[in-house]
Amino acid sequence: GQNIDQPTEMTATEGAIVQINCTYQTSGFNGLFWYQQHAGEAPTFLSYNVLDGLEEKGRFSSFLSRSKGYSYLLLKELQMKDSASYLCAVTDSNYQLIWGAGTKLIIKP
Amino acid sequence: TAGITQAPTSQILAAGRSMTLRCTQDMRHNAMYWYRQDLGLGLRLIHYSNTAGTTGKGEVPDGYSVSRANTDDFPLTLASAVPSQTSVYFCASSAGGEAIQYFGAGTRLSVL
Repeated sequence: GQNIDQPTEMTATEGAIVQINCTYQTSGFNGLFWYQQHAGEAPTFLSYNVLDGLEEKGRFSSFLSRSKGYSYLLLKELQMKDSASYLCAVTDSNYQLIWGAGTKLIIKP
Repeated sequence: TAGITQAPTSQILAAGRSMTLRCTQDMRHNAMYWYRQDLGLGLRLIHYSNTAGTTGKGEVPDGYSVSRANTDDFPLTLASAVPSQTSVYFCASSAGGEAIQYFGAGTRLSVL
């Protein structure tokens, strides 16, 4: 079966760094996405990895290792507005997005 | 820029009634999707359309139907609602299967 695993909830302090991990087992791989979803709102695109390595975009970075079926999202200089759920999703061999259940990130002052 | 619009925002529906959730995009995207999101579960694909005139079944299609008469519109119909269809429904679109998906604001549906 296809499976995306990520922690249910994480807590971090404002100004700190947090790493959200995602492991996946899918039928084929055509890219990995990270989305941010604030409570009661729609998911919004954060990052995309299709090759191994680190993609950096401002305070957010995303890493991919295809051989390990592993990705992480790194958030630096955390701000209160970063409190949200972070969704990991993998495009499988049929170009369908398989979604993880999301990681709820709580930022404390 | 509107992007992708869903209606209604929320709805309370009696079990056994039918309802159509509307979705319209103005980005000229080929692909459109319907997901449901339930607490503790990831987004689950209900139906999708890779291009106007074609549709396909996702992970949880039972009890739902869709049509794609044109590029912009992708309505989702519940023929006879049941309480297990209580959920938040998101419509999304993308330029293609491997491209970024953009989401509407969602429809919160309660079936009683």
